[in-house]
Amino acid sequence: GESVGLHLPTLSVQEGDNSIINCAYSNSASDYFIWYKQESGKGPQFIIDIRSNMDKRQGQRVTVLLNKTVKHLSLQIAATQPGDSAVYFCAVYHTHNQAGTALIFGKGTTLSVSS
Amino acid sequence: DAGVIQSPRHEVTEMGQEVTLRCKPISGHDYLFWYRQTMMRGLELLIYFNNNVPIDDSGMPEDRFSAKMPNASFSTLKIQPSEPRDSAVYFCASSLISGAYEQYFGPGTRLTVT
Repeated sequence: GESVGLHLPTLSVQEGDNSIINCAYSNSASDYFIWYKQESGKGPQFIIDIRSNMDKRQGQRVTVLLNKTVKHLSLQIAATQPGDSAVYFCAVYHTHNQAGTALIFGKGTTLSVSS
Repeated sequence: DAGVIQSPRHEVTEMGQEVTLRCKPISGHDYLFWYRQTMMRGLELLIYFNNNVPIDDSGMPEDRFSAKMPNASFSTLKIQPSEPRDSAVYFCASSLISGAYEQYFGPGTRLTVT
């Protein structure tokens, strides 16, 4: 089945720096990927997504890069702000058991931004 | 839209008691998902529904867990009897289309079983 892993459980940056959070997945047939942000006491919130027919997608201050060759996904946050402090999850779309489909979530990277 | 609504937000109960968690998905969403989040295991999919029908319950940990969706605007996750290892945050999420589209999460129910 699919497995999703993050390279670092924690990341600490200074305000204004760029942050990069990495994620690896195992199933080369995966074709949809999402990054979620979870603040303390809240549910995960959608940040940005990308499909396998793209290798880069940009949002407001965020960029997602997809490298299908090595099955690697990254989230880049420009000019990181204290409000970006949260846990970030990557999620990979996976069809399994022919009975259903699911988003498989990684464990999460805790981003801490100091001012 | 109010988003996905879950109740209660916090639940503390004693081992052996029945616990019922409730969820109201976003209106018009055909898919509803129940997740459990713990520090050790992260975010795990328990079960999901399409048009009120359970599609995949392979993530439900054991027979003590059951979920229902009697109509498009309401779902319950029940644990009977509850055990301390069930302590976790339970999230409900909904989406327009399964899998390859964004899921919207509720605020979660923090369950503590003593």
